[in-house]
Amino acid sequence: DAKTTQPTSMDCAEGRAANLPCNHSTISGNEYVYWYRQIHSQGPQYIIHGLKNNETNEMASLIITEDRKSSTLILPHATLRDTAVYYCIAVQTGANNLFFGTGTRLTVIP
Amino acid sequence: EAEVAQSPRYKITEKSQAVAFWCDPISGHATLYWYRQILGQGPELLVQFQDESVVDDSQLPKDRFSAERLKGVDSTLKIQPAELGDSAMYLCASSLRTGYNSPLHFGNGTRLTVT
Repeated sequence: DAKTTQPTSMDCAEGRAANLPCNHSTISGNEYVYWYRQIHSQGPQYIIHGLKNNETNEMASLIITEDRKSSTLILPHATLRDTAVYYCIAVQTGANNLFFGTGTRLTVIP
Repeated sequence: EAEVAQSPRYKITEKSQAVAFWCDPISGHATLYWYRQILGQGPELLVQFQDESVVDDSQLPKDRFSAERLKGVDSTLKIQPAELGDSAMYLCASSLRTGYNSPLHFGNGTRLTVT
């Protein structure tokens, strides 16, 4: 699976959009980009995933660049409950294991 | 929304003792995973089951760890004997099937402290 690189930490003002970047420059054509988050003392929570096209669901939007070497997770209106560690993971089709890395610690500030 | 159930939520044990964790996946989920998460790091896979069969246990320290999923539903992870370095969060996850289109659903874990 391709290695992903994320900033260690970010802050975002409550009510503003949170844009979390992820670099996956070595991603291969059959690798999906998955995002999970982990709120303190809870298990990781699936957010969204995509291959080439931008994706949106009730939680977030995922923007993948045309060359697929990077992506951005967008939380449109961040709330205090969005404070968590966000993991960007490149996953091969049919892969068994998720390599989480250390993620980005997002702090939403009142 | 259905959840992955884990128990106990917290466990404190002395080194050299045996300890066991239990997981009940979401109903109908064929694939079950055990992950270990050391403080400050991301979760790391220990073992994966497809129904009752082990698919991947390459990262499981088999001299002291064992895992079973006898009827292909709930699962138990055991450590015997526990060591100080085993202190971590043990997370169970399940998915509908193995593959890119089946997100993992995690339980809230068992936090183990070995003294």
